[in-house]
Amino acid sequence: GAGVSQSPRYKVAKRGQDVALRCDPISGHVSLFWYQQALGQGPEFLTYFQNEAQLDKSGLPSDRFFAERPEGSVSTLKIQRTQQEDSAVYLCASSPPVQETQYFGPGTRLLVL
Amino acid sequence: GQNIDQPTEMTATEGAIVQINCTYQTSGFNGLFWYQQHAGEAPTFLSYNVLDGLEEKGRFSSFLSRSKGYSYLLLKELQMKDSASYLCAFLTRSYKLSFGAGTTVTVRA
Repeated sequence: GAGVSQSPRYKVAKRGQDVALRCDPISGHVSLFWYQQALGQGPEFLTYFQNEAQLDKSGLPSDRFFAERPEGSVSTLKIQRTQQEDSAVYLCASSPPVQETQYFGPGTRLLVL
Repeated sequence: GQNIDQPTEMTATEGAIVQINCTYQTSGFNGLFWYQQHAGEAPTFLSYNVLDGLEEKGRFSSFLSRSKGYSYLLLKELQMKDSASYLCAFLTRSYKLSFGAGTTVTVRA
């Protein structure tokens, strides 16, 4: 079956531009997670959804970051007024219940110039 | 607070065995995961330990000691394709994964 998919795979943005990153989780997976991975580092938690409810957004670095999952399936991570420090790989993961293995998508590599 | 440590780099010869250690400190724990990540790709699941002891899965094994806050990933019969970053992560009480920085394993012929 299909895994987690993300789009776009690569995004170059000018500083100050808004971007939207999309995640399609594995069909039927209840939980969805967003992580940010800087070069040479492990992924860092951003936010978590269970169905359409955003249960934890403690990892979002600023109020420029916003995530939604309105129908409990596809999720979008939006970054407003991008800054150079936002350059990273943004990974999406999904799992059936939260206690089980999280499966990662290929990520979106964001470069802010 | 939460902290997780693993070596930055390891090098081994094809056919050999390598053990990657991971130590963690956390106030809440729901299991220990190991992921493999090739450069430019997504992390892929290798193993999950929630109870103390050894879990074996083919060439890969993972061990957990909750009382010591310690885990290791054992890679046997190393192959060139095993060259990758290996990420140790624990599942927190709030169900997010807290990752180490990763161990880059280089397998040489």
